[in-house]
Amino acid sequence: GQNIDQPTEMTATEGAIVQINCTYQTSGFNGLFWYQQHAGEAPTFLSYNVLDGLEEKGRFSSFLSRSKGYSYLLLKELQMKDSASYLCAVRSRSGGSYIPTFGRGTSLIVHP
Amino acid sequence: DTGVSQNPRHKITKRGQNVTFRCDPISEHNRLYWYRQTLGQGPEFLTYFQNEAQLEKSRLLSDRFSAERPKGSFSTLEIQRTEQGDSAMYLCASSYGTGEGGEQFFGPGTRLTVL
Repeated sequence: GQNIDQPTEMTATEGAIVQINCTYQTSGFNGLFWYQQHAGEAPTFLSYNVLDGLEEKGRFSSFLSRSKGYSYLLLKELQMKDSASYLCAVRSRSGGSYIPTFGRGTSLIVHP
Repeated sequence: DTGVSQNPRHKITKRGQNVTFRCDPISEHNRLYWYRQTLGQGPEFLTYFQNEAQLEKSRLLSDRFSAERPKGSFSTLEIQRTEQGDSAMYLCASSYGTGEGGEQFFGPGTRLTVL
């Protein structure tokens, strides 16, 4: 089975930087995704890491350490619209298929 | 193509009734996934299709749940003899790829309420 752990809730100030951590335990690791989900809406893709290191995409960056089973999502220059749930998903190989398993999500509240 | 679509968006039913949901993936996507999500939780994997073949099904999935993707395009998810515990958001996602495949694109979901 898989175990994915991320904080339940975080708060931050508009304009600041926030780091959301995700730790996981899995066999057959095959990539880690971050998704953003606003209340009542579907998840939308933010980033993908399969090799160790940092992937940067605008205000969002994601880091992966496979040996530590650890990832983080870094959000810079926070805006009010960044208030949402951030889902960490780990893809692993199951037979011939590659199935992502999602964490519970981290609810980020950005205040003025 | 405007993305993944799901119908209906909301469904209210009485316990014991059967319900069926439809998902239309992005047209060129060969992979389709069904998830269930309850409040405060991440999406929980239900089943996965590559083209018309159902390749994976969650061991947590009851026999009351069945899914099809007859022509490798749209998919349906049926829940028979619904129970109150089935109340959740049912999400469909699609992706394109061979081997590992790519990112998933999610539909807006169908919110099921079982009374």
